Amino acid sequence: QTVVTQEPSFSVSPGGTVTLTCGLDSGSVSTGYYPTWFQQTPGQAPRTLIYSTNTRSSGVPDRFSGSILGNKAALTITGAQADDESDYYCVLYMGSGIWVFGGGTKLTVL
Amino acid sequence: QVQLVESGGGVVQPGRSLRLSCAASGFTFSNYGMHWVRQAPGKGLEWVAVIWYDGSEKYYADSVKGRFTISRDTTLYLQMNSLRAEDTAVYYCVRLGSGWTLDYWGRGTLVTVSS
Repeated sequence: QTVVTQEPSFSVSPGGTVTLTCGLDSGSVSTGYYPTWFQQTPGQAPRTLIYSTNTRSSGVPDRFSGSILGNKAALTITGAQADDESDYYCVLYMGSGIWVFGGGTKLTVL
Repeated sequence: QVQLVESGGGVVQPGRSLRLSCAASGFTFSNYGMHWVRQAPGKGLEWVAVIWYDGSEKYYADSVKGRFTISRDTTLYLQMNSLRAEDTAVYYCVRLGSGWTLDYWGRGTLVTVSS
């Protein structure tokens, strides 16, 4: 069973830059997994931030960016703001109609 | 604007069945595949199932295969049979967007499996 890995938690200072990653327990993440990133605040539905590795969804500020870094997908937040404090999830398309979510990263801005 | 509204959640006993619905508006529903994704209380997101835009293909997570059935007509459905306590979660209806992604989310409906 494929496991998608994310850092359980991360912290960033206001105005700082943070990079969250999304990997595989075995193997490398490439653009062919179509990595997608979501933001979720408590009690709310997730919001799609980035899809197909690096395409921002409509209305998402350009301080959110996606990429492949080494063997992982990455979400970078530049100039972090207080309301970026959320849970962040990635999902990978494994092919054959199967998607797998990572466990999520709880981001603290302080 | 795209709107997805789930319904049908509630409290159900273990072993029983429940059917969730998702009403879509703001886009041509028949042109898009659709997912169900769930989130247990205090836990992360779990992909559950997907159906292609024309219903020709359906795929499931191992955790629900053989118990859950995704279907669609002008509404998206999730038939859940043989429910277990571990199926307790908020169930989200999500559109399958371009680039094999999940782009628009509903607000979710809570399913609680408990005796």
